[in-house]
Amino acid sequence: DAGITQSPRHKVTETGTPVTLRCHQTENHRYMYWYRQDPGHGLRLIHYSYGVKDTDKGEVSDGYSVSRSKTEDFLLTLESATSSQTSVYFCAISGMASGHNEQFFGPGTRLTVL
Amino acid sequence: EDQVTQSPEALRLQEGESSSLNCSYTVSGLRGLFWYRQDPGKGPEFLFTLYSAGEEKEKERLKATLTKKESFLHITAPKPEDSATYLCAVRSNTGNQFYFGTGTSLTVIP
Repeated sequence: DAGITQSPRHKVTETGTPVTLRCHQTENHRYMYWYRQDPGHGLRLIHYSYGVKDTDKGEVSDGYSVSRSKTEDFLLTLESATSSQTSVYFCAISGMASGHNEQFFGPGTRLTVL
Repeated sequence: EDQVTQSPEALRLQEGESSSLNCSYTVSGLRGLFWYRQDPGKGPEFLFTLYSAGEEKEKERLKATLTKKESFLHITAPKPEDSATYLCAVRSNTGNQFYFGTGTSLTVIP
């Protein structure tokens, strides 16, 4: 299994509070991604990073920010959580060996915003 | 706009009953088409990458094929342990984003 972990695995929070999710990898891969998965929508890209301090927006980036200060860590922040951000969040990584095509996913974080 | 549609949404098979899952896609220049397997409560697990029409990949009871408009995941003589949701995704050659379909939930009955 690819060395990728997410924390926390479960979180319940209230509307308006800030939330930070962490993704940690031990593979030294350059690319890291944050997705959300909702019934009827499949996996949707929130933000991705192509190197330390290099990030870009995905198709559902509104209300989310990211930071990557080290190769191994990619943080996703909800500045002021809303109920529409209740979802399962997955982090993924990809490496040069596959041309950054093969993504390896973490175990996910289930976030509930009340 | 890049788009992926998977069908059927759900499929129930008897053990040993072969079938196919469909992934139709529109993309502005295909860089790759990907199949993943996802078990309940877990992250997707990579299965295959297909790059060009006519390409095929196999792994155990699974075989993925690709045309210019769709991909099929053929499951031969499935077993209960093949039960999972199968996801299809595409990546265009104009960006770094992956677009996923909503998946096919496969149940194989003993």
